[in-house]
Amino acid sequence: AQSVTQPDIHITVSEGASLELRCNYSYGATPYLFWYVQSPGQGLQLLLKYFSGDTLVQGIKGFEAEFKRSQSSFNLRKPSVHWSDAAEYFCAVGSSNTDKLIFGTGTRLQVFP
Amino acid sequence: DAGVTQSPTHLIKTRGQQVTLRCSPKSGHDTVSWYQQALGQGPQFIFQYYEEEERQRGNFPDRFSGHQFPNYSSELNVNALLLGDSALYLCASSQRNTGELFFGEGSRLTVL
Repeated sequence: AQSVTQPDIHITVSEGASLELRCNYSYGATPYLFWYVQSPGQGLQLLLKYFSGDTLVQGIKGFEAEFKRSQSSFNLRKPSVHWSDAAEYFCAVGSSNTDKLIFGTGTRLQVFP
Repeated sequence: DAGVTQSPTHLIKTRGQQVTLRCSPKSGHDTVSWYQQALGQGPQFIFQYYEEEERQRGNFPDRFSGHQFPNYSSELNVNALLLGDSALYLCASSQRNTGELFFGEGSRLTVL
């Protein structure tokens, strides 16, 4: 079955601390992987994507993610979190021949000053 | 360059009514997909439209239908509304099967 698991429902960090959000996937085809961010009441903004090539991808707002095929993971990282990063983060998987994305249930990030 | 625009942003309906949501894709995009996001959940794929035809469909009943117009804009229709249809409905546009979607800010539907 195709699925995305985000094991952490809620994460709290202090401003300036490092961050890692976990994502594991199960997908039959070669996966396209995405991280989206959603602020309260808003739509989804694409942070970064992995299609092929270098397994460490850089995104907007200082985020990066690493694709590990052997672990079926695509974890999101940021070295120093800002208060404005507080939001809901969604990992998603798709493929080259479809626009149907499968999303995880999200991780809510809270940032303390 | 305008991104994906959706209307209305909020609406309230009662059980049994029908609703139509609208979406204009990002310039240069020819494909529109619709997603339902229930409170506290990730978005779930409803269907995709390309060349004015439904091309893919998720696990949603026939009460959910759609349309795509020649200018690539799209509508989502939901008939016989249920309380469980209350959700944020997201429209996403793309160039077909590139795998990269751009999302609008959504239409929040409340069914009473």
